[in-house]
Amino acid sequence: GQNIDQPTEMTATEGAIVQINCTYQTSGFNGLFWYQQHAGEAPTFLSYNVLDGLEEKGRFSSFLSRSKGYSYLLLKELQMKDSASYLCAVRDSNYQLIWGAGTKLIIKP
Amino acid sequence: TAGITQAPTSQILAAGRSMTLRCTQDMRHNAMYWYRQDLGLGLRLIHYSNTAGTTGKGEVPDGYSVSRANTDDFPLTLASAVPSQTSVYFCASSEGPQATQYFGPGTRLTVL
Repeated sequence: GQNIDQPTEMTATEGAIVQINCTYQTSGFNGLFWYQQHAGEAPTFLSYNVLDGLEEKGRFSSFLSRSKGYSYLLLKELQMKDSASYLCAVRDSNYQLIWGAGTKLIIKP
Repeated sequence: TAGITQAPTSQILAAGRSMTLRCTQDMRHNAMYWYRQDLGLGLRLIHYSNTAGTTGKGEVPDGYSVSRANTDDFPLTLASAVPSQTSVYFCASSEGPQATQYFGPGTRLTVL
């Protein structure tokens, strides 16, 4: 079967750095996505990785290791508005997205 | 631009009744998708359409039907609602099946 694993919840302090991990087992791999979802709102696209390595976009970076079936999202200089759920999704061999249950990130002052 | 709109925002429906959730996008995207999101679970694909005139089944299609008569609209119909269909429904679109998906604001449906 196909499986995406992420921690259910994480807590971090404003101004700090947090790393959210995602491991996957899917039938084929055609890229990995990270989305942010604030409570009661729609998911919004953050990043996309298809090759191994780090993709940096402002305060957010995403890393991929295809051989390990592993990705992480790194958030720097945390702000209160970063409190949200972070969703990991893998595009499988049929080009459909398989989604993790999401990691709820709580930012404390 | 509006992007993707969904209607209604929320709805309470009696079991056994039918309902159509509406989704419209103005980005001229070829591909559109319907997902449901339940607490503790990842988004699950119900149906998708890679281009106008075609549709396909996702992971959880039973009890749902879709049509894609034109590029902009992708309605989702529940023919006879059951309580297990209580969920938040998101419509999404992308330029093509291999492109990034963008989501509408969602419809919160409660079936009693």
